[in-house]
Amino acid sequence: QKEVEQDPGPLSVPEGAIVSLNCTYSNSAFQYFMWYRQYSRKGPELLMYTYSSGNKEDGRFTAQVDKSSKYISLFIRDSQPSDSATYLCAYKTALTGANNLFFGTGTRLTVIP
Amino acid sequence: ETGVTQTPRHLVMGMTNKKSLKCEQHLGHNAMYWYKQSAKKPLELMFVYNFKEQTENNSVPSRFSPECPNSSHLFLHLHTLQPEDSALYLCASSQGTGKNTEAFFGQGTRLTVV
Repeated sequence: QKEVEQDPGPLSVPEGAIVSLNCTYSNSAFQYFMWYRQYSRKGPELLMYTYSSGNKEDGRFTAQVDKSSKYISLFIRDSQPSDSATYLCAYKTALTGANNLFFGTGTRLTVIP
Repeated sequence: ETGVTQTPRHLVMGMTNKKSLKCEQHLGHNAMYWYKQSAKKPLELMFVYNFKEQTENNSVPSRFSPECPNSSHLFLHLHTLQPEDSALYLCASSQGTGKNTEAFFGQGTRLTVV
């Protein structure tokens, strides 16, 4: 079983739609949860970071963590064409000293004007 | 600009060639990383350097040889690669290697082995 499962998409939505991106994980030791955004021909950039169950909001983005179900989501409200990118979920255990991130495969999102 | 610069952006090399990837960070960070990103696969951590010392090697084949002369520069020397080594190679840096540190990525080098 993979450490992290993420639907690769691709996902296409009209501008203004609400987007829901999801990941599941199998390792109960994962304590830190992140979403990275990767534009075409660019490196990933950190979008959201949380370590607790519940919701964390930042502008149009909301990260949701459910540790009991080992499930995390990223919601994008009022999606814009500039949100078109690949979104990577990532996890880290509390034990590791190194910045060892476990990544999903990424979901490719296209927002159509 | 992310503060982490990688060169070249694109590289095509034969299986018998020797080439090097370069990464430079302008963020004053102490830790640097090499990741491999293949199509439809998760990012794979290859090497970790902290204060110029290699602290992690994730069972990477010896045809990949990292070098970290100082905290701002990281190289990945390549020789006798295989076509399956074709991928996007990403460099990242962070302030430290603790659990709360954020990794900043470069734009990557798109490597094609022919």
